[in-house]
Amino acid sequence: NAGVTQTPKFQVLKTGQSMTLQCAQDMNHEYMSWYRQDPGMGLRLIHYSVGAGITDQGEVPNGYNVSRSTTEDFPLRLLSAAPSQTSVYFCAISDRGRANYGYTFGSGTRLTVV
Amino acid sequence: GDSVTQMEGPVTLSEEAFLTINCTYTATGYPSLFWYVQYPGEGLQLLLKATKADDKGSNKGFEATYRKETTSFHLEKGSVQVSDSAVYFCALIRGYQKVTFGTGTKLQVIP
Repeated sequence: NAGVTQTPKFQVLKTGQSMTLQCAQDMNHEYMSWYRQDPGMGLRLIHYSVGAGITDQGEVPNGYNVSRSTTEDFPLRLLSAAPSQTSVYFCAISDRGRANYGYTFGSGTRLTVV
Repeated sequence: GDSVTQMEGPVTLSEEAFLTINCTYTATGYPSLFWYVQYPGEGLQLLLKATKADDKGSNKGFEATYRKETTSFHLEKGSVQVSDSAVYFCALIRGYQKVTFGTGTKLQVIP
């Protein structure tokens, strides 16, 4: 039982390149989300999904796309990377009926855009 | 909107010292409150939680009490260890996906 698996752990992109950050879970949780963590700013919600086929925007969605075709996977796409997207990205999941029990986080993807 | 305010860090303590990290919140209704811990190079891990007023969450020697009258959820530990060095995040959840995090407080414990 791996919980939440994020790949890759590290990535360097050139400005304008595209890439997909992967998030996979084996806990059968309905709710999945992407956060970015920047120094002095805590965690900010990018996009989230309450189930397969359903996604919505969070606090900082610009420059990112998501889709949710299965319960297990919730990829985050950067269409044209910018230096402002240099950050650490976390995927977090929650059991819909147990949201008050907190979230389970992946170990993060550290992205640098040069 | 909802907000969480944590004390500025870093906090540097000697081993076996008493720890308090302050957290206050602003939210309507009755949020659930959490402390998460992040060790270097890792994701956040749930440390403890409280779901209603006057609840006390505890785990690994850490405690926090949900004080609705002061809108606070301060984290305490009686005797810190070097292994407690990490970044601590206070957070609230109101509703299904409405999560608000504080900016984090870095704790460094020196032998």
